[in-house]
Amino acid sequence: EAAVTQSPRSKVAVTGGKVTLSCHQTNNHDYMYWYRQDTGHGLRLIHYSYVADSTEKGDIPDGYKASRPSQENFSLILELASLSQTAVYFCASSDAQGGGTEVFFGKGTRLTVV
Amino acid sequence: KTQVEQSPQSLVVRQGENCVLQCNYSVTPDNHLRWFKQDTGKGLVSLTVLVDQKDKTSNGRYSATLDKDAKHSTLHITATLLDDTATYICVVGDRGSALGRLHFGAGTQLIVIP
Repeated sequence: EAAVTQSPRSKVAVTGGKVTLSCHQTNNHDYMYWYRQDTGHGLRLIHYSYVADSTEKGDIPDGYKASRPSQENFSLILELASLSQTAVYFCASSDAQGGGTEVFFGKGTRLTVV
Repeated sequence: KTQVEQSPQSLVVRQGENCVLQCNYSVTPDNHLRWFKQDTGKGLVSLTVLVDQKDKTSNGRYSATLDKDAKHSTLHITATLLDDTATYICVVGDRGSALGRLHFGAGTQLIVIP
């Protein structure tokens, strides 16, 4: 069964601290994505990757880094967490850029920066 | 600038009633359109994907239409159940190739009451 697993599911971080969000997929998909969701807004793309050891900037990459050490794993890194990064973060995988055929989302990570 | 607009923002219906959700977009090119269901605190689950210039799909009690000339899509839910309570998100993919991006609407919050 297709799956995208995110960890942790929720986290409270201190301003200025480092945060790492992890994502693991078992779909054999080449593409993986990190999005953030803010109340009342659509999901916005932070970073994505189409192959291991390579990442690309999305629409709102500032303040975030990404790492794709293998096809299955994709991490989002906040080196210096800020209050404005409080949001729900979703990881997704797809078999093509733009999710033309298959696209699966994780259950989300609720990040609160205090 | 918001390229995918959904209406209504929220909707309350009684169990058993039908409802219609609207999606208007300005994304160009519009390769495909997908409707997702997002339960509270959960990830996005794909309900259906529309691809053709004038397309219709059906998935159980969910049916959808797409008119690319009008850049408009509808999601119909018939005989609503309490479990249909969720946020429904319209997503437009601008290509099916390596350069494609997903453009998300803010969602319609559907509440089904007994």
